[in-house]
Amino acid sequence: SAVISQKPSRDICQRGTSLTIQCQVDSQVTMMFWYRQQPGQSLTLIATANQGSEATYESGFVIDKFPISRPNLTFSTLTVSNMSPEDSSIYLCSVEDLSGRTGNEQFFGPGTRLTVL
Amino acid sequence: AQSVSQHNHHVILSEAASLELGCNYSYGGTVNLFWYVQYPGQHLQLLLKYFSGDPLVKGIKGFEAEFIKSKFSFNLRKPSVQWSDTAEYFCAVNAQGNFNKFYFGSGTKLNVKP
Repeated sequence: SAVISQKPSRDICQRGTSLTIQCQVDSQVTMMFWYRQQPGQSLTLIATANQGSEATYESGFVIDKFPISRPNLTFSTLTVSNMSPEDSSIYLCSVEDLSGRTGNEQFFGPGTRLTVL
Repeated sequence: AQSVSQHNHHVILSEAASLELGCNYSYGGTVNLFWYVQYPGQHLQLLLKYFSGDPLVKGIKGFEAEFIKSKFSFNLRKPSVQWSDTAEYFCAVNAQGNFNKFYFGSGTKLNVKP
């Protein structure tokens, strides 16, 4: 299984500022995923990040608000731009397990807990 | 779009009690089903998964889940819980044609009293 780390683990930010979250994986992976978990709610996929191409965003999420970089096969960043209190959430990075079987499971990072004041 | 429902948001049990957490999904095609667990202060980790074959799936730490296709359900069970099972449990689904996209339920917080 992949080992995933995220930085920062938590942050408290002011309204209108931006925060970049880093995700590092201990092995090369094709696809990386960014999720949001708002208080009391389920995990929601923000976007899928492939190395060498632009990220694919889910409905309700846009690149201007959540720009993503994927410079290589072990690293990705998610930026939360022009933050508002509604962006307070846990942001999780995940990767898929390409074990050769169908229905790939995903491995998750520890998450970044963001509070916007 | 697919959706996943977990009807129990918060469950409190005493040690040795039996556990059943409900999970229902909405999708008519072929799906893969997962239960993830998040212990306090730890990552989400896979508890068990169903891809095909025997609908009764056994996972780690004595957990099992049964896939009932006719009911679109994948309930999680454990005959006798321990205090260390205190955690949040998430049901998840991905669907044929888009196995990369996971849909998660809202989670169930389980508190086991010693």
